[in-house]
This record gives sequence, C-alpha cells and structure tokens, in this order.
Amino acid sequence: SQTIHQWPATLVQPVGSPLSLECTVEGTSNPNLYWYRQAAGRGLQLLFYSVGIGQISSEVPQNLSASRPQDRQFILSSKKLLLSDSGFYLCAWSPGQGNADTQYFGPGTRLTVL
Amino acid sequence: GENVEQHPSTLSVQEGDSAVIKCTYSDSASNYFPWYKQELGKGPQLIIDIRSNVGEKKDQRIAVTLNKTAKHFSLHITETQPEDSAVYFCAASRNDYKLSFGAGTTVTVRA
Repeated sequence: SQTIHQWPATLVQPVGSPLSLECTVEGTSNPNLYWYRQAAGRGLQLLFYSVGIGQISSEVPQNLSASRPQDRQFILSSKKLLLSDSGFYLCAWSPGQGNADTQYFGPGTRLTVL
Repeated sequence: GENVEQHPSTLSVQEGDSAVIKCTYSDSASNYFPWYKQELGKGPQLIIDIRSNVGEKKDQRIAVTLNKTAKHFSLHITETQPEDSAVYFCAASRNDYKLSFGAGTTVTVRA
C-alpha cells in the first residue's frame, strides 16, 4: 500500500531564516505531487503541483519554491521566511495514471514563523 | 476556474442524528467529487468520492449524492458518533490533476 511522509512535523523559525520541508511517497511510481498551505481555521490553498521529476507548476506567486529531485520526493523551500508563511503545510499525492484526481494527504507540517 | 461553495460552515448535531453538508460547483465540466475529513492537527483523509456517471454512493454510515443538473453534491452522515466530530471538506475536479476545495464545515457531535 502507499504511504506518504512529511517532516518535520512541527517547526518554529525566525523571520528571515530559510525553510526546507520534505515529502516522500512510498509504494507507488510516478505520482503527481502537491503542496498545500492551510492557515488557521481556513481552507486548503494549492501552492505547487508536479506531474514528474523537475516539472513544477506554481499556483500562487509567493515567497516559496518547490523542487522534485526524485520521483517520489517533493521539497518546499524558502530563502527568507515571512510572518505570513506561518501555517499548516500539507503534501499530497495522486496516481500518475488512472484516477489522477484522487489525492491522498500526508500528516502535515505545522510551521510557526516568529 | 472552478468555484466550490460549501454550507453550512458549522454544524452541531446530537449523537445518533444525521448530518448533511451541501456543496455547489460552477464548472459543468467537473466530473469528480471527493469528500475529506480532517481531525485537529492532522492531514485531510479521503472518506468517500463520487464520479459524475453515478448519482449516489454509500459506505456504511456515510453517503454522497450528486445532482449534475443542479451542480450540487451532498455528504450524508447517519447515526452520528462523537468520532465524527471534525472538519469536512468537499472538492471538485475536471480531471486535470487539481482539486478545487470548499471552505470546510466544522461538525460537532454532542453526546
């Protein structure tokens, strides 16, 4: 069966510091990968998605970037964090073939920028 | 792009009663409608989904209905239990990798 991991689970960072969040998927090949952000008590905002290695689509212009160095690894980065980057970051995957719209979420990373 | 509206934003029900959450969508090309349950501090969990060639789907105490003509779909939870308390999100997709989410419904089941 497929499993999705995210780390770290929680992170507290000062304003202006860099960021690297990692997501990996096990048990599937060539998945579509997604990064979402969820502000406190709010809905899900799609940040980036990737349909293959090195292929990244950005949904919202912002202080963040994403990379996919390996088939089942998705990284969210920032060079300098802003207070507004605080939130709950969720990675998700969907099958690369078949039901490509069926997304499965990871456990999330709680980021607090102080 | 697709716009998904979800109602109500909060719902409080007595244990054992039913809960219904409704969503409407704007893009008639949307053909996939999943529902997610998110418990506090956790990632959303896919609980049920429906495709546009089906009008209703059931899985134990939860069911989803779809009205393509009216462009709305609903989640029904019967015999609610305290563990059903969570935030529920609906979503819609036109099979282009992306989901458009509703704003969420906070369900509280009173014991």
